[in-house]
Amino acid sequence: EMVVTQSPATLSLSPGETASLSCRASQSVSFDVAWYQQKPGQAPRLLIYGSSNRAAGIPARFSGSRSGTDFTLTISSLEPEDFGVYYCQQRINWLFGQGTRLEI
Amino acid sequence: EVHLVESGGGWVQPGGSVRLSCAVSGFTVDEYAMHWVRQRPGKGLEWVSGIGWSSGSLAYADSVKGRFTISKDGAHNLLFLQIETVRPEDSALYFCTRALVGGSYFDHWGQGALVNVSS
Repeated sequence: EMVVTQSPATLSLSPGETASLSCRASQSVSFDVAWYQQKPGQAPRLLIYGSSNRAAGIPARFSGSRSGTDFTLTISSLEPEDFGVYYCQQRINWLFGQGTRLEI
Repeated sequence: EVHLVESGGGWVQPGGSVRLSCAVSGFTVDEYAMHWVRQRPGKGLEWVSGIGWSSGSLAYADSVKGRFTISKDGAHNLLFLQIETVRPEDSALYFCTRALVGGSYFDHWGQGALVNVSS
């Protein structure tokens, strides 16, 4: 059974810093992922799809990359509004990771 | 503009049933794959079920297979999720989502319908 693991569980950073969020698939054969941001009381918002493509309206400071079964969401020059929980999602079975909480 | 609005949530007793609806606008459900994703209180996201643009393809998470049924009404632009034999662990906020062309990623979400299972 495939498992999607995100790390760290919580990340505390200051505005202007760079955040790197990790997502790893448990199986050697992996597929692309999407990244979502969720703020309290809101629905998730699609940030990145196909591992590295920004969704419509997403600022350029959000970027995604892939190295084998390891995926990274990078948020450059953090803004105060970037706080929230970030989820990665495997495309082939729609499986979500457990999330990373980003505290600004 | 794309909008998804869920309804039908509420309080339900264990063993009962509930039907969630999702009214969409700005696109037609017959043109896109649609999915349901749930979130238990204070927990992460869990994909529940999906239906292809043609309704010929249905998928369910193992945790709900046999109890949940996804369907849609193209004439009225509605998506449904029928939940039978509800369990306490089905208590969650249920999001209706639209999948990007290709069917894998969710580019639009509703605000969710809350289901509370309790005796």
